[in-house]
Amino acid sequence: KAGVTQTPRYLIKTRGQQVTLSCSPISGHRSVSWYQQTPGQGLQFLFEYFSETQRNKGNFPGRFSGRQFSNSRSEMNVSTLELGDSALYLCASSLQGAYEKLFFGSGTQLSVL
Amino acid sequence: AQKITQTQPGMFVQEKEAVTLDCTYDTSDQSYGLFWYKQPSSGEMIFLIYQGSYDEQNATEGRYSLNFQKARKSANLVISASQLGDSAMYFCAMREGNNAGNMLTFGGGTRLMVKP
Repeated sequence: KAGVTQTPRYLIKTRGQQVTLSCSPISGHRSVSWYQQTPGQGLQFLFEYFSETQRNKGNFPGRFSGRQFSNSRSEMNVSTLELGDSALYLCASSLQGAYEKLFFGSGTQLSVL
Repeated sequence: AQKITQTQPGMFVQEKEAVTLDCTYDTSDQSYGLFWYKQPSSGEMIFLIYQGSYDEQNATEGRYSLNFQKARKSANLVISASQLGDSAMYFCAMREGNNAGNMLTFGGGTRLMVKP
């Protein structure tokens, strides 16, 4: 069974641009969540989608958004990039999202110049 | 207050020895779950072990066990017979309540280095 797949693996953008990251969950998994990891703030929850609906949202500005498609694949978008958005963005999936193992992808390393 | 505290930024352990990584948590929810993840240099977070707040027995998964002390709000990870491949960052995380879905709060992590 294939794991959680995130594309692209690395991304370089400049301030003010926007970026879209993609995540394909494990087959059969309906919950997809996104996390941001930085050296200063550590791992922080961004949002979670379940059956195409946002179920939970972390404390991030509106520039961060996401969506989930009917096949459970998810995308997250960051508009008007800032230097502080440079981070490893991790996607995770699980079957339903409650009291279950959460499986992560290898992440997308975003650098904002 | 920090929800998840990992007080050991870095630790060394000799190969084949056991090691304990500390984690304390803070929550007012009666229902919660505690997780440990390993993050090697590749960046992927690897699930190690899960403990539910109502689980009466400590969780075990192969060489990993979780020393769950509810009254003290601690959930320490014990790795037995350390291997060189265990060198990585280790994160403790918590899911609170029944409606949290996959919203986890992570600790700052502990870097474990296994010496040959």
